[in-house]
Amino acid sequence: SAVISQKPSRDICQRGTSLTIQCQVDSQVTMMFWYRQQPGQSLTLIATANQGSEATYESGFVIDKFPISRPNLTFSTLTVSNMSPEDSSIYLCSVAPRGGELFFGEGSRLTVL
Amino acid sequence: GNSVTQMEGPVTLSEEAFLTINCTYTATGYPSLFWYVQYPGEGLQLLLKATKADDKGSNKGFEATYRKETTSFHLEKGSVQVSDSAVYFCALSDPSNYQLIWGAGTKLIIKP
Repeated sequence: SAVISQKPSRDICQRGTSLTIQCQVDSQVTMMFWYRQQPGQSLTLIATANQGSEATYESGFVIDKFPISRPNLTFSTLTVSNMSPEDSSIYLCSVAPRGGELFFGEGSRLTVL
Repeated sequence: GNSVTQMEGPVTLSEEAFLTINCTYTATGYPSLFWYVQYPGEGLQLLLKATKADDKGSNKGFEATYRKETTSFHLEKGSVQVSDSAVYFCALSDPSNYQLIWGAGTKLIIKP
């Protein structure tokens, strides 16, 4: 298994500002995934972050809006840029240490006013 | 393409009732199947999984059997408790890229 810590756990932000979410894993993993869960919705994959390469974004998500860093095998950040109320969601970091099964952080609950 | 369909919620039951949450899928190849649970205010936790046909995953009194002939992975529990109130997500993994395809989630409410 993998233990994942996310920070912040929740935040309230003003429109137009940016917020960086941190994800720390207790073991080295190749692939890390960032998901968004809008209120009452299922999960949507934002991007896959592999160490040493650019993140791969899913349709509808772009690097300018959601820049991702992956400086090593245990850490990643997701920034939500120029926020609007539509960005209010839970953002989840996850890893697949053995492939297939995903482990999740507790999520970062973001409210944009 | 791959997809997962779950029964719509919310599902409301009394304590000690029998639970079934339906999940069906379409997939190419041989995906693994998962049930994740999200308790109020928390992140997602893996509840159980099955990696091949006829496998039965089980945990905390919940069970689900990978049925290839009916492309289903229904979640069952014989006697639910108030503490089982949560949102349950069915998912399948694409073995080519380890990405998960998610169902919409089913909210379960258990009343005492």
